[in-house]
Amino acid sequence: SQELEQSPQSLIVQEGKNLTINCTSSKTLYGLYWYKQKYGEGLIFLMMLQKGGEEKSHEKITAKLDEKKQQSSLHITASQPSHAGIYLCGADASGNTPLVFGKGTRLSVIA
Amino acid sequence: DAGITQSPRHKVTETGTPVTLRCHQTENHRYMYWYRQDPGHGLRLIHYSYGVKDTDKGEVSDGYSVSRSKTEDFLLTLESATSSQTSVYFCAIKGPTYEQYFGPGTRLTVT
Repeated sequence: SQELEQSPQSLIVQEGKNLTINCTSSKTLYGLYWYKQKYGEGLIFLMMLQKGGEEKSHEKITAKLDEKKQQSSLHITASQPSHAGIYLCGADASGNTPLVFGKGTRLSVIA
Repeated sequence: DAGITQSPRHKVTETGTPVTLRCHQTENHRYMYWYRQDPGHGLRLIHYSYGVKDTDKGEVSDGYSVSRSKTEDFLLTLESATSSQTSVYFCAIKGPTYEQYFGPGTRLTVT
């Protein structure tokens, strides 16, 4: 079965600093999905990557998928308190299979 | 907003009692999922459905059953709740480009 490893498990950054979260798969991915979860709330879909080498951006968040489609990174530029939360990566082996998730990265942004 | 609601949002029940959680969607999506989220384990798939009366087991299905008699409703039943089933339960649907959208979650405590 597919497993996703996220690193780091937790991260504390000063407001305005950049940061990167990584997600590594044990197998080649069909799709890689990034979500954000605020404490005690549901998951919010951020971005989906499907092609090797693909890169997508939304506001100050950029996600990349490597050429081999086994590793993805999420980069936040000039972090703000609103970026705080838990970031999860999910992946599927094909478009018809349920997503498997990493255990998440807990991000805190301090002033 | 993918039009997903979950009920109840919070529930406290005693060991050995049956519990049913409801997931309701308004957009006629074919695929629906039940996950549980626990510290240290992340999100794990319990059961999923790929159509009315079509369901399949996930990674942690023991002690749970599901039913889907209408496209819009996906029910998760704990036949005899145990303390190990204390968790936050999330329902999700699959969107048009394979991403999953999540409901707000149900916090279940089994005493």
